[in-house]
Amino acid sequence: QKEVEQDPGPLSVPEGAIVSLNCTYSNSAFQYFMWYRQYSRKGPELLMYTYSSGNKEDGRFTAQVDKSSKYISLFIRDSQPSDSATYLCAMSEADSNYQLIWGAGTKLIIKP
Amino acid sequence: GAGVSQSPRYKVTKRGQDVALRCDPISGHVSLYWYRQALGQGPEFLTYFNYEAQQDKSGLPNDRFSAERPEGSISTLTIQRTEQRDSAMYRCASSQGERYTGELFFGEGSRLTVL
Repeated sequence: QKEVEQDPGPLSVPEGAIVSLNCTYSNSAFQYFMWYRQYSRKGPELLMYTYSSGNKEDGRFTAQVDKSSKYISLFIRDSQPSDSATYLCAMSEADSNYQLIWGAGTKLIIKP
Repeated sequence: GAGVSQSPRYKVTKRGQDVALRCDPISGHVSLYWYRQALGQGPEFLTYFNYEAQQDKSGLPNDRFSAERPEGSISTLTIQRTEQRDSAMYRCASSQGERYTGELFFGEGSRLTVL
């Protein structure tokens, strides 16, 4: 079993819909949680960064961390075709927090 | 530079040859990371530098892989005696400070194909 599990998709939704992306993990020592967006043939770029449990909102994006369930989510409101990309979750332990452990990524397609 | 620059973008080589992949990080970024990303997978940590010092090379798969950053800026990842299983996208990332703060800036990667 991988340390971080993420449904590869593709997930296809109509423009304007609310999108829910999620990852589960097995290592209870993970403290830092990130969501990266990766467009085709590009490197990942950081979208959201959270520490420990709770919610964080940035514009149309909301990240949630539930450490008790070892489950993290990214919500995208009012989805746009430009949101079409692969979304990767990443996480790390506090004391070696540069060694990110990544999910495989979920491919998201927003249909106009 | 404006972003992390990697070269070559594509490299096709024959099994047994050595390859060198180059990374030019964002100007002034102290930390530099190498990752390997297989198709349909997330990046896998290889090694990490602060300035010219290699802080952690625990992710390098075996001793055919090495990396250097002699002047604390440009880095080279070298793979000796390449094997087909080395075929992957190799990504470089940089970050501003010595301590990781969550944001890595990735380059577009070097896709290596070993025939």
